[in-house]
Amino acid sequence: ETGVTQTPRHLVMGMTNKKSLKCEQHLGHNAMYWYKQSAKKPLELMFVYNFKEQTENNSVPSRFSPECPNSSHLFLHLHTLQPEDSALYLCASSQGGAENTIYFGEGSWLTVV
Amino acid sequence: EDQVTQSPEALRLQEGESSSLNCSYTVSGLRGLFWYRQDPGKGPEFLFTLYSAGEEKEKERLKATLTKKESFLHITAPKPEDSATYLCAVQAPNAGNMLTFGGGTRLMVKP
Repeated sequence: ETGVTQTPRHLVMGMTNKKSLKCEQHLGHNAMYWYKQSAKKPLELMFVYNFKEQTENNSVPSRFSPECPNSSHLFLHLHTLQPEDSALYLCASSQGGAENTIYFGEGSWLTVV
Repeated sequence: EDQVTQSPEALRLQEGESSSLNCSYTVSGLRGLFWYRQDPGKGPEFLFTLYSAGEEKEKERLKATLTKKESFLHITAPKPEDSATYLCAVQAPNAGNMLTFGGGTRLMVKP
């Protein structure tokens, strides 16, 4: 139990579907993140939210749309995805400030068909 | 641009055979260097944070060390349950919350 919970753990969607990934952190942290992990590639940062405000968008295509309604919840809305978007999507959180160790959830495996 | 290179990409050890994993980094100043363990199909699990050259941290059979250019993760007398991918990441002072990750080292320990 990492304190960061992601749902669903597995998702298969067609290229015309709209779906959402959900993340909730129980650590009292102020920053939340979405990372993408593809086979044979290093972890890629997608989005960062600090105190509900988006502070980083790492040139992510608009078919990925994040939402952070409060410091404990983070969503990633998906629409019109491509097969190459199939990957493990990891949510993470951190306290922010001088102590910035990032804690990850178990991930959501996404397959686009 | 911050860069992190991990070597080897894969490492096979016999149970009890000690070894080291390397993480070389290039960053403009270093705010922190992080080690994570990742099991197949799961998210990375935090192991250590190192902040300055000369610092060392230990946890069970693992010891992480840091110099100005690289970090080592020493594994003493590994067991099969230590098999996993080990990830290294760096954080620069001007990078806000961003971490730059290496490609990882996949460790396999055979009984």
